Amino acid sequence: KNEVEQSPQNLTAQEGEFITINCSYSVGISALHWLQQHPGGGIVSLFMLSSGKKKHGRLIATINIQEKHSSLHITASHPRDSAVYICAVPGGMNRDDKIIFGKGTRLHILP
Amino acid sequence: DAGVIQSPRHEVTEMGQEVTLRCKPISGHNSLFWYRQTMMRGLELLIYFNNNVPIDDSGMPEDRFSAKMPNASFSTLKIQPSEPRDSAVYFCASSLRSSGGEQFFGPGTRLTVL
Repeated sequence: KNEVEQSPQNLTAQEGEFITINCSYSVGISALHWLQQHPGGGIVSLFMLSSGKKKHGRLIATINIQEKHSSLHITASHPRDSAVYICAVPGGMNRDDKIIFGKGTRLHILP
Repeated sequence: DAGVIQSPRHEVTEMGQEVTLRCKPISGHNSLFWYRQTMMRGLELLIYFNNNVPIDDSGMPEDRFSAKMPNASFSTLKIQPSEPRDSAVYFCASSLRSSGGEQFFGPGTRLTVL
């Protein structure tokens, strides 16, 4: 069974800072998801990646399959980036393995 | 597309009552997922369907929970009888495929059982 660890659990930073959130997992996977949950509760899928790097605006996600590790970066952070960021991976390599979520990183960007 | 639609958005009920949560997935998506989120346990997958067929219901807490997907555009999650510990936010999500596919989440139903 896959284990997912996120760090840090909580992060407070000043507006403009470069943010890094980490996710490690224990079993090889087909793809990893990064989700964002806003204070209002809505969940948005940010990235789904299986190798390399993806970029969307100020958000960058990288994954290292060999090291079983992914990072989510936010450049020029803004208070509106304040949210919980959740990493999710399949439970295993089987096609129908259910998804497992990390406990999330609560990010607070101060103006 | 309107995205994944869930109803109701909020539900307050008394212990012992039956609760039915509804979900309409994005048109064309063939996988549907029901999740529960609590402060203590975070996000948990309850059950998911592929082409309207339940694939894995091992996350369903107990027999009081049941889920159906009678067609590709509608699913229900039912709790009977409800208990205070069922209070949580229940999310529905859909995707083009069950494994590795990007999931699109509904707004959630906040359930409070008194």
